Amino acid sequence: DGGITQSPKYLFRKEGQNVTLSCEQNLNHDAMYWYRQDPGQGLRLIYYSQIVNDFQKGDIAEGYSVSREKKESFPLTVTSAQKNPTAFYLCASSPLKSGELFFGEGSRLTVL
Amino acid sequence: QKEVEQNSGPLSVPEGAIASLNCTYSDRVSQSFFWYRQYSGKSPELIMSIYSNGDKEDGRFTAQLNKASQYVSLLIRDSQPSDSATYLCAVNGFENTGFQKLVFGTGTRLLVSP
Repeated sequence: DGGITQSPKYLFRKEGQNVTLSCEQNLNHDAMYWYRQDPGQGLRLIYYSQIVNDFQKGDIAEGYSVSREKKESFPLTVTSAQKNPTAFYLCASSPLKSGELFFGEGSRLTVL
Repeated sequence: QKEVEQNSGPLSVPEGAIASLNCTYSDRVSQSFFWYRQYSGKSPELIMSIYSNGDKEDGRFTAQLNKASQYVSLLIRDSQPSDSATYLCAVNGFENTGFQKLVFGTGTRLLVSP
């Protein structure tokens, strides 16, 4: 079935560690996105990519990094520089210039 | 800063009633509007998109858009307990790169009681 797969669903991290969240899609979408969701807040855009080997910072990119080496894959690394990384992370994809996003199931990161 | 405003709720309606969810936005050049439904602990899913003034119906859902008032709403007819979720309004905005970035509201929590 077509869709977006995020892994892991749950992740615990010690302070000072980098972690990488995986996102894979088989929808043949050009655009991919990473959002962060905190309780009581809307989705905030971390990074987005419209084409392979190119990506742009969103509203809250500090402390995060991404890569887009393949159309299907858009992994997110949460670095130790991210001050408050505990959150629900959502990966999404869409056709280019479309606001109709398809979301993965999300990854819940907890910093111990 | 482009903004999308929603009442956080909860909006409580009895089963079978009409639920009305509202959203206002600040960017006058926005052209695309979306409603996403998010169950607790789950990811959002798109339920409606609307691009022109007026009403758009899809089953029990009707999206209404009034660009002059910068207002978009979602009506859910014959509400069911399974409709209980948070509904996110999203509006497109344009970056300098030409990228259409979605701006999300914080969502309205809907509770449908049996």
